[in-house]
Amino acid sequence: EDQVTQSPEALRLQEGESSSLNCSYTVSGLRGLFWYRQDPGKGPEFLFTLYSAGEEKEKERLKATLTKKESFLHITAPKPEDSATYLCAVQLTGGGNKLTFGTGTQLKVEL
Amino acid sequence: DAGVTQSPTHLIKTRGQHVTLRCSPISGHKSVSWYQQVLGQGPQFIFQYYEKEERGRGNFPDRFSARQFPNYSSELNVNALLLGDSALYLCASSPNRENPNEKLFFGSGTQLSVL
Repeated sequence: EDQVTQSPEALRLQEGESSSLNCSYTVSGLRGLFWYRQDPGKGPEFLFTLYSAGEEKEKERLKATLTKKESFLHITAPKPEDSATYLCAVQLTGGGNKLTFGTGTQLKVEL
Repeated sequence: DAGVTQSPTHLIKTRGQHVTLRCSPISGHKSVSWYQQVLGQGPQFIFQYYEKEERGRGNFPDRFSARQFPNYSSELNVNALLLGDSALYLCASSPNRENPNEKLFFGSGTQLSVL
């Protein structure tokens, strides 16, 4: 069965303390892997799309990487405004027009 | 530019009732997708439409139905509500014809509570 697992479930960082979030996937065929950010009471906000192993994307303090089994979202020198839930999703080859989301990592960055 | 708008923002229903949720996509976006998000979980795919044609359907019972109108807005209908239907219902739009999932723009959702 296709699965997307995110870890840790929750992460508390001090401002400036870099870390990584993990998204591991067990799927029959990967068409794309996506990262979204979700603030409380809001819908997810698109961050990155990754299509092939070795691919990397960057945006401000965030960097997403992809291997054949997992993706990492690296957060460098985070700020309190980076606090949010980070969701990983996959789209499968021949899997219809849907994204399968993980349960997310709730990140809190403190002063 | 206006983002994806959903109405209502909050809704309280009782078991057995039906509900209609509405979504207006970003101007120029022809694809609309619906997702259900239960508290503490990731969104779960319900439907996807492109230019009024159903492009995909998730693993939801027939009580769930949707349609897309000529102006690309969309409705999600749920009949015979169950307590377990309580969730945040998210609508997302996309301008991409080949792969609407390449980048989804989500609305803030409709919070449905079934009592």
